[in-house]
Amino acid sequence: SQTIHQWPATLVQPVGSPLSLECTVEGTSNPNLYWYRQAAGRGLQLLFYSVGIGQISSEVPQNLSASRPQDRQFILSSKKLLLSDSGFYLCAWSPSRNQPQHFGDGTRLSIL
Amino acid sequence: DQQVKQNSPSLSVQEGRISILNCDYTNSMFDYFLWYKKYPAEGPTFLISISSIKDKNEDGRFTVFLNKSAKHLSLHIVPSQPGDSAVYFCAASAGYNFNKFYFGSGTKLNVKP
Repeated sequence: SQTIHQWPATLVQPVGSPLSLECTVEGTSNPNLYWYRQAAGRGLQLLFYSVGIGQISSEVPQNLSASRPQDRQFILSSKKLLLSDSGFYLCAWSPSRNQPQHFGDGTRLSIL
Repeated sequence: DQQVKQNSPSLSVQEGRISILNCDYTNSMFDYFLWYKKYPAEGPTFLISISSIKDKNEDGRFTVFLNKSAKHLSLHIVPSQPGDSAVYFCAASAGYNFNKFYFGSGTKLNVKP
């Protein structure tokens, strides 16, 4: 069966520090991969998605970037974190178009 | 601009009764709809979906209804159980951009024993 791993579960970082959140999927190949952010009291906002290695689509301009160095690995990064980057970050995968997305357990990011 | 809206932030229901969670959308191009359930400190879990060619989809205690003319989606849980207490998100996508799902802000359901 397929599983998705996302770490760390919580992270506290100072403003201006770099960020790297990692997500890996097991038990499937060539998944679609997604990064979402949930701000307090808001829905999930799609940040990036990827349909293959090295293929990244960005949905909103921001201080973040994403990379997919391997088929089942998706990384969310920032060179310098802002206070507004605080939130709950979720990685998800789906097998193909218009299929339900399956989420990791998320990372709670707090910027001080 | 939120294209998917859940106007009730919370709902409280007695165990054994029906829970009805509502969702409205604005984009008439949406053709695939999903409901997710989320417990604290966990990622959302897929519950049930419906394609725009249907108006109802049922899976055990969960039924999703789609009213395309009203651009309205609802999730019925019958009977409600305390373990159903969670935040429920609806989501929608359009066939021309199948990678992008638009999520509502969620409704927190509390099922009282």
